[in-house]
Amino acid sequence: GAVVSQHPSRVICKSGTSVKIECRSLDFQATTMFWYRQFPKQSLMLMATSNEGSKATYEQGVEKDKFLINHASLTLSTLTVTSAHPEDSSFYICSASAPSGATWGAFFGQGTRLTVV
Amino acid sequence: GDSVTQMEGPVTLSEEAFLTINCTYTATGYPSLFWYVQYPGEGLQLLLKATKADDKGSNKGFEATYRKETTSFHLEKGSVQVSDSAVYFCALSRGDKLIFGTGTRLQVFP
Repeated sequence: GAVVSQHPSRVICKSGTSVKIECRSLDFQATTMFWYRQFPKQSLMLMATSNEGSKATYEQGVEKDKFLINHASLTLSTLTVTSAHPEDSSFYICSASAPSGATWGAFFGQGTRLTVV
Repeated sequence: GDSVTQMEGPVTLSEEAFLTINCTYTATGYPSLFWYVQYPGEGLQLLLKATKADDKGSNKGFEATYRKETTSFHLEKGSVQVSDSAVYFCALSRGDKLIFGTGTRLQVFP
């Protein structure tokens, strides 16, 4: 089946630094990718939707200048958390849908656990 | 707004026990409903889905029926295995977006 690889799986960074998370579709081209965040004991919350070659669409309340999303190719989307602070510590998950998308958003990465100290 | 509510876990069962994980939703109209599973160290995988009322999704021995009257989509399996240990997420689709529940961790012991 389709595979989405997310890297890194865990990252610890110092407050004020930036962290980049990569999401790759390994065996298909993903025109649309989605980024989610999950806080402990809470739902996965959609942060933004990115379409290859265009600007990402952010959900209400998500700071686009803080969470930079780049979808430069059909197989790679990146999320950069800029000037990270402890409250940004969370679990970030990406998903990708193929053009023929059997089920919307069916292909997910393994997630990245970000800890800001 | 739309939302999904799942029972809190962890759910701890012995092998071959019957499993139910409750999921209810709030939505306008008729969304599609999904169950996703996340095994340790892996990404979420679609387990099953239902697109309209009274549909039953099934896969790998798991079943869930789209109940409009009770706005529910409970996940069931007649006999769980140790390999079913994972986190299970209920979700609904609203347009091009998925709305998830909080996830329920299932632990199955031999």
